Amino acid sequence: AQTVTQSQPEMSVQEAETVTLSCTYDTSENNYYLFWYKQPPSRQMILVIRQEAYKQQNATENRFSVNFQKAAKSFSLKISDSQLGDTAMYFCAFMRSRVIQGAQKLVFGQGTRLTINP
Amino acid sequence: GAVVSQHPSWVICKSGTSVKIECRSLDFQATTMFWYRQFPKQSLMLMATSNEGSKATYEQGVEKDKFLINHASLTLSTLTVTSAHPEDSSFYICSARDRRIEFGPGTRLTVT
Repeated sequence: AQTVTQSQPEMSVQEAETVTLSCTYDTSENNYYLFWYKQPPSRQMILVIRQEAYKQQNATENRFSVNFQKAAKSFSLKISDSQLGDTAMYFCAFMRSRVIQGAQKLVFGQGTRLTINP
Repeated sequence: GAVVSQHPSWVICKSGTSVKIECRSLDFQATTMFWYRQFPKQSLMLMATSNEGSKATYEQGVEKDKFLINHASLTLSTLTVTSAHPEDSSFYICSARDRRIEFGPGTRLTVT
């Protein structure tokens, strides 16, 4: 079974700083997807960024980028020029590519509560 | 705008009663829908996966007779919490999947 571990329960940085959230995972699969989701106080899950394991290039979305280290099974999220609106819970998630006895499902980490201070 | 809706957004019910939560995909047909439960300050816990027209697949430890899931169409799945108890109070989130995965806004259930 796949597991996802986020070792930082909480983080806090000043506005405009850069912050990196850590995520490691365990799987025997070779092809899979990795995600970072944001859950603000509204509790709506919002996709921040997605990475396909077969792609060596790290995904980027504006101020958000990842450092994907497949051999190390590490998938960290870097937020540059952090903004107050980035304050939220952040979840790392894994999903295998192949379908085995049913649908592919997301496996979430425990989450990191990120606070951006003014 | 929202592509997956949930209704109601919050509900209070008395212990022993049943409550139904709807999850609708608004602008795409969802071949698969997922139901999660989230306790305060915790991660999402997958309860079950449902495919249109077939029985739901429940995760280990989830009582299928207590949490009834119906996926009658490609745009609608329902979760019924039967004989609710205070310990069922939680935040329930659905997600719908076709080529993409979209999450509903969640339903807060309080059982008194």
